[in-house]
Amino acid sequence: QQQVKQSPQSLIVQKGGISIINCAYENTAFDYFPWYQQFPGKGPALLIAIRPDVSEKKEGRFTISFNKSAKQFSLHIMDSQPGDSATYFCAASKETSGSRLTFGEGTQLTVNP
Amino acid sequence: DAGITQSPRHKVTETGTPVTLRCHQTENHRYMYWYRQDPGHGLRLIHYSYGVKDTDKGEVSDGYSVSRSKTEDFLLTLESATSSQTSVYFCAISGTGWSQHFGDGTRLSIL
Repeated sequence: QQQVKQSPQSLIVQKGGISIINCAYENTAFDYFPWYQQFPGKGPALLIAIRPDVSEKKEGRFTISFNKSAKQFSLHIMDSQPGDSATYFCAASKETSGSRLTFGEGTQLTVNP
Repeated sequence: DAGITQSPRHKVTETGTPVTLRCHQTENHRYMYWYRQDPGHGLRLIHYSYGVKDTDKGEVSDGYSVSRSKTEDFLLTLESATSSQTSVYFCAISGTGWSQHFGDGTRLSIL
């Protein structure tokens, strides 16, 4: 049972464009929503995270938008660069120490120069 | 980067053989996790540990066992490897916060 659904599976964007990746979750007990970035041959690295008490969080070119009523959240990458080409995973968990993450299926982003 | 070392990084073995993967951390974090990554499935939790000798099952634990005799080491064992266990395995750690930090993975092929 996939509790976090992610789309699209793959995304191709031109340099300077906006990349948007969407996730939807089922478990209303989730209260911590991180995004991870993964390059080939490497482990996932935490990119940005949000808690449901805010609707948006921005760090540089990366923004998370959160819609609690719809149980959806999305990652926006502004001014996308070729170096952003990677696989992105959304995840969800309860915000407690040692809580287990439930991951989406992943999105392979390619930014063309 | 969080101090996490996974070994081996690559392994090829035959069906029916036992396999042990090691995760070593230098952060003295309490929590450690084993995930497997497969196309179309993201990362799925196999087992996790919340302290020395304290472990619990994740969503895909069948066919796997774990042990944690020291804070810094978390071992994942496939008692009798099957081809369905061909995957990339990641170890993660977390401390008092809620974010997890991942190692660079072990690519395991079972022929």
